[in-house]
Amino acid sequence: AQSVSQHNHHVILSEAASLELGCNYSYGGTVNLFWYVQYPGQHLQLLLKYFSGDPLVKGIKGFEAEFIKSKFSFNLRKPSVQWSDTAEYFCAVNVAFISSGGGADGLTFGKGTHLIIQP
Amino acid sequence: DSGVTQTPKHLITATGQRVTLRCSPRSGDLSVYWYQQSLDQGLQFLIQYYNGEERAKGNILERFSAQQFPDLHSELNLSSLELGDSALYFCASTPGWGYSTDTQYFGPGTRLTVL
Repeated sequence: AQSVSQHNHHVILSEAASLELGCNYSYGGTVNLFWYVQYPGQHLQLLLKYFSGDPLVKGIKGFEAEFIKSKFSFNLRKPSVQWSDTAEYFCAVNVAFISSGGGADGLTFGKGTHLIIQP
Repeated sequence: DSGVTQTPKHLITATGQRVTLRCSPRSGDLSVYWYQQSLDQGLQFLIQYYNGEERAKGNILERFSAQQFPDLHSELNLSSLELGDSALYFCASTPGWGYSTDTQYFGPGTRLTVL
């Protein structure tokens, strides 16, 4: 079974700082990768996802992530954070089952990174 | 607003009791997923329903069950509740049957407290 680890549980940055949140997964085959964000008091929403093609994926709100297959990593980046980026960030993975025509079980999530941006 | 609704927002109950959580997917979505978020286990996939049928199962306890009705809303039933069942329960929906690259749209969650 696949698993996801997020290295930093809590990150505190000042506005305009650059951000990189680590995500590593363990699975020997092809995976689909997602970053979700949960703003205070709101539902989980998708930031970006990768399933094939260009390993550098751009998402909403200026976020991007790079899939490095050799490192089993999918780190999230943003060049300049804002106070409004304060939130919980979750990396997630699923695996397409060839036998079910590309279907998958539910997402496997990392434990999350709580990001606080200080004004 | 994702378009996925969950009721109730909060639920407080006692050990040994049974509760039902409700989820309405986005308009037109046929699949509903249930997840549990707890401090120690994080976000865990419980079960998925597609168009009324169970399609995938995750780490769901035998004391828990779910169903999806003809109007596509889903209910998660939790019985013989224990203190450790206290958690946030999310549902998510997708348009199709659960293709691996689908974006899941999450509801606001139901916070369950078992005393």
